[in-house]
Amino acid sequence: DAKTTQPNSMESNEEEPVHLPCNHSTISGTDYIHWYRQLPSQGPEYVIHGLTSNVNNRMASLAIAEDRKSSTLILHRATLRDAAVYYCILHGYFNKFYFGSGTKLNVKP
Amino acid sequence: EAGVVQSPRYKIIEKKQPVAFWCNPISGHNTLYWYLQNLGQGPELLIRYENEEAVDDSQLPKDRFSAERLKGVDSTLKIQPAELGDSAVYLCASSPRTGGIHEQYFGPGTRLTVT
Repeated sequence: DAKTTQPNSMESNEEEPVHLPCNHSTISGTDYIHWYRQLPSQGPEYVIHGLTSNVNNRMASLAIAEDRKSSTLILHRATLRDAAVYYCILHGYFNKFYFGSGTKLNVKP
Repeated sequence: EAGVVQSPRYKIIEKKQPVAFWCNPISGHNTLYWYLQNLGQGPELLIRYENEEAVDDSQLPKDRFSAERLKGVDSTLKIQPAELGDSAVYLCASSPRTGGIHEQYFGPGTRLTVT
């Protein structure tokens, strides 16, 4: 299964943008890049996904490198409710959905 | 729209006892997943159903774990007998349609403690 590499933890100030990086150097051409987050004591929550082009939705933006070997999840204005573990996942027709350990985001008031 | 429902939310049992978890997916979602999550780690897939069929159960420890999804709607995951190492959160998720690349919707999980 294709794996991703994320920092164990990051810290941000409230109302500032947050850039969460993810490396996936073994990504295949059919793998989608998914981001989920998990708030304390809850199940994971879908954030965004993309294949090649950058994607935007109401929660976040996903910036995908041209060679697709890395991506960045962008939270435009972090709030205290965004404090969670963020998982970067590759999912394709030949890959299982593998969460890894994720990045724990701490948001300071 | 109701989300994925799981019960119970918490369960404490002694080792060697059986335990069962129940999941009701979002209405109309054909694909159902069971995950196991150990403390400080990401969820790990145990089994995936598409309708009634278990299409991926390669990570399910079949000597003690079993699952069923009768009528392609709700599902039950069972452990018999439970071991101390089974203490974890068991998550159920569902997604619309079968195959393809679709987002998953997770339930709140069942926290199992085996003493």
